[in-house]
Amino acid sequence: DIQMTQSPSSLSASVGDRVTITCQASQDISKYLNWYQQKPGKAPKLLMYDASNLETGVPSRFSGSGSGTDFTFTISSLQPEDTATYYCQQYDNLPFTFGPGTKVEIK
Amino acid sequence: EVQLVESGGDLVQPGRSLRLSCAASGFTFDNYAMHWVRQTPGKGLEWVSGISWNSGNIGYADSVKGRFTISRDNAKNSLYLQMSSLRAEDTALYYCVKGTGPGLFNCFDSWGQGTLVTVSS
Repeated sequence: DIQMTQSPSSLSASVGDRVTITCQASQDISKYLNWYQQKPGKAPKLLMYDASNLETGVPSRFSGSGSGTDFTFTISSLQPEDTATYYCQQYDNLPFTFGPGTKVEIK
Repeated sequence: EVQLVESGGDLVQPGRSLRLSCAASGFTFDNYAMHWVRQTPGKGLEWVSGISWNSGNIGYADSVKGRFTISRDNAKNSLYLQMSSLRAEDTALYYCVKGTGPGLFNCFDSWGQGTLVTVSS
């Protein structure tokens, strides 16, 4: 199985800050990496697909990059409503696997 | 609007069986792959199983292979997960999830609110 790691596991930043989360796959997954946002008590929501494509309706302050084994997710200007846990997920190989999540809080 | 409504979650004893259902609406069900993803506080999100649009391609997580069976009824716009030989570690919130295409290898763009399965004696 492909193992996904994320760092940091949590972070606290101020409104307006640039926030970056990294995700690493245990083997090459090309561009087949998605990012999800999960707010407390809610189901996850797809934000980015294929590493760098923004899902329809998602604010442009969210972006993603990377390919192969190393990926980055960025919030260019953190907003209060971005408080959530963010997960990366690979769909290059079965079984599909998620990272452990990064909890983002407002300082 | 896409709606996915799970049902069937319950408190069950180890070794018993349970069947989860997901009623889908708001999209052309038989055009898309469907999945089950579960979540526990300790282990985060885990993909459990997926099924292609015509049931021709099916996959399972190693942790459930041989115990769980995914199926769909396109005439009823419904997805199912038959769970047997349940273990304590199967305790989780189970989400019904829509894929973004007909095959398994796509993203998950719509999620239900989940149904809770608790395995305990």
